[in-house]
Amino acid sequence: EVQLVESGGTLVQPGGSLKLSCAASGFSVSGSAMHWVRQAPGKGLEWVGRLRSKGKRDATAIAASVKGRFNFTRDESENTFHLEMTSLKIEDTAVYYCARLLGWWGRGTLVTVSS
Amino acid sequence: QSVLIQPPSASGTPGQGVTISCSGSKSNVGANAVRWFQHLPGAAPKLFIHTDDQRPPGVPDRVSGSRSGTSASLAISGLQSEDEGDYYCGVWDDTLNAYVFGPGTKVTVL
Repeated sequence: EVQLVESGGTLVQPGGSLKLSCAASGFSVSGSAMHWVRQAPGKGLEWVGRLRSKGKRDATAIAASVKGRFNFTRDESENTFHLEMTSLKIEDTAVYYCARLLGWWGRGTLVTVSS
Repeated sequence: QSVLIQPPSASGTPGQGVTISCSGSKSNVGANAVRWFQHLPGAAPKLFIHTDDQRPPGVPDRVSGSRSGTSASLAISGLQSEDEGDYYCGVWDDTLNAYVFGPGTKVTVL
């Protein structure tokens, strides 16, 4: 059974950095396209970006709103997918979901950017 | 501001049906397969329809999807109280080189 569990969400100051984790089970994160999607309070779903399966061309695609500040990494030994966020802004406050192929989703982790 | 257009709300009484539209352009709905996502209060988003009209396991056959030109639609018949929630269309945009979601449609069962 595919399961995804996000962690790492917390309160962080504007300009700060944070790393979110998505622990996967039931499949290999290196063998699937993995996505991050977020939902700001009272807003709809916003795609953050994706990392294709290992070896695929154009592996990374990222939303314009976070380009240059967010990055994705994979830890194959831990079967975990990460979202590395820097230069955080107040408008990055959201529940962050990871998803495999946009077909299997975790329950999300809350990131609050505030002073 | 989303590149996809959805109505903000749709409603019906139990047993009735609702249809939600998703309007896009040549670079997204006109070029790529559409997914629909159901997001119920307090739950993780759920893939509801993929590849325009395919239901994942567990999604009832009273749910259907379609795509024609630059528009797609999601239809739910025989409305039940558990259908209340937000529904989003999503599709890859070749110009933006990004996945885009519609703004979402809130379905209310009266």
